[in-house]
Amino acid sequence: AQSVTQLDSQVPVFEEAPVELRCNYSSSVSVYLFWYVQYPNQGLQLLLKYLSGSTLVKGINGFEAEFNKSQTSFHLRKPSVHISDTAEYFCAVSDRNYGGATNKLIFGTGTLLAVQP
Amino acid sequence: DAGVIQSPRHEVTEMGQEVTLRCKPISGHNSLFWYRQTMMRGLELLIYFNNNVPIDDSGMPEDRFSAKMPNASFSTLKIQPSEPRDSAVYFCASSLERDRGPLSYEQYFGPGTRLTVT
Repeated sequence: AQSVTQLDSQVPVFEEAPVELRCNYSSSVSVYLFWYVQYPNQGLQLLLKYLSGSTLVKGINGFEAEFNKSQTSFHLRKPSVHISDTAEYFCAVSDRNYGGATNKLIFGTGTLLAVQP
Repeated sequence: DAGVIQSPRHEVTEMGQEVTLRCKPISGHNSLFWYRQTMMRGLELLIYFNNNVPIDDSGMPEDRFSAKMPNASFSTLKIQPSEPRDSAVYFCASSLERDRGPLSYEQYFGPGTRLTVT
């Protein structure tokens, strides 16, 4: 079965500094990967996705992520963060089960990005 | 596009009362997911429907929880009787499942219902 690990529960960073949020997954089949962002008191919003093709994917608000199959990682990066980027970030992997009927996502535990002035 | 609509946005109730949360998925979507989010447990999938049929309810905590999807545009999550430990934010999400292709996994979330059981 697929699983997602986000080792960092919280990442403090100063404004205008670069940031990387780590995500590792385990799967025996090919996967689709997603990053969602949750701003305070709001629902989850899709930030970016890897479906196929180029391993570097760009999303909204200047974020990008790189799919690394050999390291089973999908880390999220931004070269310069803003105060408004303060939010919880969730990595998710498709729960691909060729034998079953499912299009579920498996979510990580989330990483709180705390941007300080 | 109105997005996923949830109601109510906030619910405060007393222990033992019945609570009903409502969700309207994005028009045309055929998969619907109910999640619960707490500080302790994070984001948990409770139940998942495809074409109005429950596919996976293994995340439903216990018999006090039930979910229905009578048609493609409406779903309810009911808790009866409610307990303080049910206090959480409940999210509904929808997606368009197409032959298990990649876009089938792209979920759109509603704003959530914050439930407080006293």
